[in-house]
Amino acid sequence: DSGVTQTPKHLITATGQRVTLRCSPRSGDLSVYWYQQSLDQGLQFLIQYYNGEERAKGNILERFSAQQFPDLHSELNLSSLELGDSALYFCASSAPSGTGPLTDTQYFGPGTRLTVL
Amino acid sequence: AQKITQTQPGMFVQEKEAVTLDCTYDTSDQSYGLFWYKQPSSGEMIFLIYQGSYDEQNATEGRYSLNFQKARKSANLVISASQLGDSAMYFCAMREVYTPNTGNQFYFGTGTSLTVIP
Repeated sequence: DSGVTQTPKHLITATGQRVTLRCSPRSGDLSVYWYQQSLDQGLQFLIQYYNGEERAKGNILERFSAQQFPDLHSELNLSSLELGDSALYFCASSAPSGTGPLTDTQYFGPGTRLTVL
Repeated sequence: AQKITQTQPGMFVQEKEAVTLDCTYDTSDQSYGLFWYKQPSSGEMIFLIYQGSYDEQNATEGRYSLNFQKARKSANLVISASQLGDSAMYFCAMREVYTPNTGNQFYFGTGTSLTVIP
């Protein structure tokens, strides 16, 4: 158990809908990362938050947005869903330093498997 | 160009034997970190081992060791005494120095599927 929690574990929805994925980082971790894992694109970085502020954006679509709340949990919002958004969405967290040493390991949650029908 | 390349889509190893999973990386940074993760069929990503670019010795964690060859930009994972529970996908990842554009993101390879044969 990495200490990172994600809910829900599975999500099935229809095209055009909107969903929210939730992540709670490990105790003490201030950085949260979102990744998308799909069969054709592999593991892709979406976005990073540090202590409530956006730190970096990767290949995140405009239909997707995220935020990190004062209690450090984070939510990833996916809207106008398309079939191609079906994937495993991971949240990861890392140690307190936002620009931290390269040794800061990212610990992954169990993922949310999203299926868009 | 790909930051992380894993050229072995699938590997087989006999139980109790050792296996090497290949990983090459591409970066112009002098400081970087290299990581290996295991993803069993259940889906979670499990951290295995870390190697820093300035570490002079190869990292080891139990049955896992990292064969780090800096000049060749390779960071191969060696699993000794393979067990049936080692059957999983294995991902190599790299973290570069923080920049405002890239943050602290990890760059992942496409993974290697390892099957341990009894």
